[in-house]
Amino acid sequence: GAVVSQHPSWVICKSGTSVKIECRSLDFQATTMFWYRQFPKQSLMLMATSNEGSKATYEQGVEKDKFLINHASLTLSTLTVTSAHPEDSSFYICSARTRDRPAPSYEQYFGPGTRLTVT
Amino acid sequence: TQLLEQSPQFLSIQEGENLTVYCNSSSVFSSLQWYRQEPGEGPVLLVTVVTGGEVKKLKRLTFQFGDARKDSSLHITAAQPGDTGLYLCAGARGTGFQKLVFGTGTRLLVSP
Repeated sequence: GAVVSQHPSWVICKSGTSVKIECRSLDFQATTMFWYRQFPKQSLMLMATSNEGSKATYEQGVEKDKFLINHASLTLSTLTVTSAHPEDSSFYICSARTRDRPAPSYEQYFGPGTRLTVT
Repeated sequence: TQLLEQSPQFLSIQEGENLTVYCNSSSVFSSLQWYRQEPGEGPVLLVTVVTGGEVKKLKRLTFQFGDARKDSSLHITAAQPGDTGLYLCAGARGTGFQKLVFGTGTRLLVSP
């Protein structure tokens, strides 16, 4: 149980275009989803937190107009990188948490990641 | 600001050796998790510790949460090549649906 998928697994796009990444919880309802960015050989950096049906909360330094997040249902969140540039190239990982797990267990279930390359 | 510092950053050992990875912070966490990540994949949860002084064992892996809930360690006994990966600790603060703060990561390479 607690499987999270991401699509696509990798994408190459041209500078100036927009790219949408999907994150789905396959066998549970994800009340909260998180989007992370990871540079090569580095740890995960949280970009934003999204709760179903409400606006995402962005971390300091993350441009909300550039990284659009939509969490329209309990099983789907999307991250759209708008007007992508080469410096946006990175590994983007989503995770999901369910209210079905009792506190204080705060495990997050991670997707397999999406590698974005902007040329 | 990275709240969780891991050491060592990189560790290369031979199969059969023992090792310990440390995760330290000046902040108190309500719970702490350890993940392992392989190249090109998302992190996979290994364990969650919530009580100060708690020790959990997962086969050859032993996890400990510091008494003050500011630090944690991961000990691997008789490491195997399959243990190779990036090990990440992550802490949660407060109550409710809190976000995780990830450690700096420890890259482990176990050679046959």
